[in-house]
Amino acid sequence: GQNIDQPTEMTATEGAIVQINCTYQTSGFNGLFWYQQHAGEAPTFLSYNVLDGLEEKGRFSSFLSRSKGYSYLLLKELQMKDSASYLCAQREGQNFVFGPGTRLSVLP
Amino acid sequence: NAGVTQTPKFRILKIGQSMTLQCAQDMNHNYMYWYRQDPGMGLKLIYYSVGAGITDKGEVPNGYNVSRSTTEDFPLRLELAAPSQTSVYFCASSGAGSPLHFGNGTRLTVT
Repeated sequence: GQNIDQPTEMTATEGAIVQINCTYQTSGFNGLFWYQQHAGEAPTFLSYNVLDGLEEKGRFSSFLSRSKGYSYLLLKELQMKDSASYLCAQREGQNFVFGPGTRLSVLP
Repeated sequence: NAGVTQTPKFRILKIGQSMTLQCAQDMNHNYMYWYRQDPGMGLKLIYYSVGAGITDKGEVPNGYNVSRSTTEDFPLRLELAAPSQTSVYFCASSGAGSPLHFGNGTRLTVT
């Protein structure tokens, strides 16, 4: 499968902005997805990029550069409830390959 | 709309026992997947299916079997449970070009 890299952990302050990066191998690319997973729960879909550029959905935005094999998830106006793991996933064919996830802690 | 339904939510097995994890979706999705997630780790693909009657191995298929007799159901079978299969199992489905929809997971402990 594809090698997908994300930082393991990040910490940010309530009300701040945080950017979570994801790199992937460009061969077989068919879309880049971001999921949020709270502890003990299932992942839930946040955002999806198939073309280069920024997709904005409220406080969450995701960016993609296909030539660089790079994506990021931007979270604005952080809230305590945003403390969770954020999973980057690449679609290759009909499969979804997940990165290890980034555990975000939001501090008051 | 139920989405993806997994049963059971929790299960404890003894080494060598067998069980089937059930998964059903009501979104008429062609694609279905089984992932496992070990503590603090990402999701690893066990098996997937692109339609009824078609299944294929993912990254970590050893010790598991699947079947897809209908579009709605995609059960995962563990034949001889081992401690290494202690994990959280997620079933997911997707339509063409759409994101994955996950079930709530099955927490399995093998002792």
